[in-house]
Amino acid sequence: GENVEQHPSTLSVQEGDSAVIKCTYSDSASNYFPWYKQELGKRPQLIIDIRSNVGEKKDQRIAVTLNKTAKHFSLHITETQPEDSAVYFCAASNPSSGGYQKVTFGTGTKLQVIP
Amino acid sequence: DSGVTQTPKHLITATGQRVTLRCSPRSGDLSVYWYQQSLDQGLQFLIQYYNGEERAKGNILERFSAQQFPDLHSELNLSSLELGDSALYFCASSVEPGANYGYTFGSGTRLTVV
Repeated sequence: GENVEQHPSTLSVQEGDSAVIKCTYSDSASNYFPWYKQELGKRPQLIIDIRSNVGEKKDQRIAVTLNKTAKHFSLHITETQPEDSAVYFCAASNPSSGGYQKVTFGTGTKLQVIP
Repeated sequence: DSGVTQTPKHLITATGQRVTLRCSPRSGDLSVYWYQQSLDQGLQFLIQYYNGEERAKGNILERFSAQQFPDLHSELNLSSLELGDSALYFCASSVEPGANYGYTFGSGTRLTVV
């Protein structure tokens, strides 16, 4: 089955600096890669996603890149702000039988933005 | 409000007891997924239903069971509870069998077993 590894597990950056979180996946059939942000005590929320036919996607201060050959994808947050502090989860989704997409989550990265 | 409703928000119960967690998916979503998140841990996939049928099972214990009803709401039943079952239980929904457009998570049920 799919295996998703996420690094680093914790990340501290100064406000205004950039943060990068990296994930690798094992199943070359994976074709959809969402990222979720989970603030303390709250539900995970989808913040950005990318499909396998795209190499990069950007939404304001966040961007995601995908390297299918190397089977890794990354989340980039620029000009970090204290409200970016949260746990970020990557995920890889691949087709399974019966039209079902199986989603595998990474283990999460706790990002702390220091004011 | 994400549109996915989970009840109750908090639950405190004793070891050996049985509880039922409820989830109503977002309007129009046919798939429901259950996840367990222990303290400072990741999201452990338990089970998925699509339009009333079980579609996939993850690391779900035999003491746990779930179902999805004709109105698409789902219930997760946890029995013979142990201290280690204390966790945040999330329900998520999506419109199709997979999650090609991402999940929408509910706010979770925090279960404390004492």
